[in-house]
Amino acid sequence: AQSVSQHNHHVILSEAASLELGCNYSYGGTVNLFWYVQYPGQHLQLLLKYFSGDPLVKGIKGFEAEFIKSKFSFNLRKPSVQWSDTAEYFCAVASDSSASKIIFGSGTRLSIRP
Amino acid sequence: GAGVSQSPSNKVTEKGKDVELRCDPISGHTALYWYRQSLGQGLEFLIYFQGNSAPDKSGLPSDRFSAERTGGSVSTLTIQRTQQEDSAVYLCASSDPRGEQYFGPGTRLTVT
Repeated sequence: AQSVSQHNHHVILSEAASLELGCNYSYGGTVNLFWYVQYPGQHLQLLLKYFSGDPLVKGIKGFEAEFIKSKFSFNLRKPSVQWSDTAEYFCAVASDSSASKIIFGSGTRLSIRP
Repeated sequence: GAGVSQSPSNKVTEKGKDVELRCDPISGHTALYWYRQSLGQGLEFLIYFQGNSAPDKSGLPSDRFSAERTGGSVSTLTIQRTQQEDSAVYLCASSDPRGEQYFGPGTRLTVT
């Protein structure tokens, strides 16, 4: 069965630090990959997505993620975080099938110290 | 166009009462999901509808929980004989064929 692992449960950084949040999945076939963000008091929204093509995808607010097929990973990165990036981040995977259920990771809480 | 809508936005109910939560997905999205999010917790999958297929109910926590999707569109999540541990935000999402999910604002359920 598909699964998604986010090993970092809570990450605390200072402003301007670089960020990398890990996401690994288990599925042998073609996948579509997503990162969602939930800012405090707000609902979940899409940060970025990968379907095919360039494995380095860029999303909103300076975030990017790299799909490394050989490592089954889709890590989220940002070179310099801001206090406003404080949020919960969820990685999600769906197999490349119209009937596929999307699977979410358990989330990573990011706290940025001003 | 319109996004996913949920109603009510807030619901306070007494322990033991039944509640119904409604989700209106984005028109044309064949997949619909219900999740539960408790304070400080991640997303707990509850149920998944895909087209005319039998729903995946593997995430429902007990037989007090049920959901239906009428006409392949609107969905209702019903919780019978509510308990205090049912208090949470209930999220609905619909997705396009590639799996990109669009979330509703959620219904905050408080069981007193």
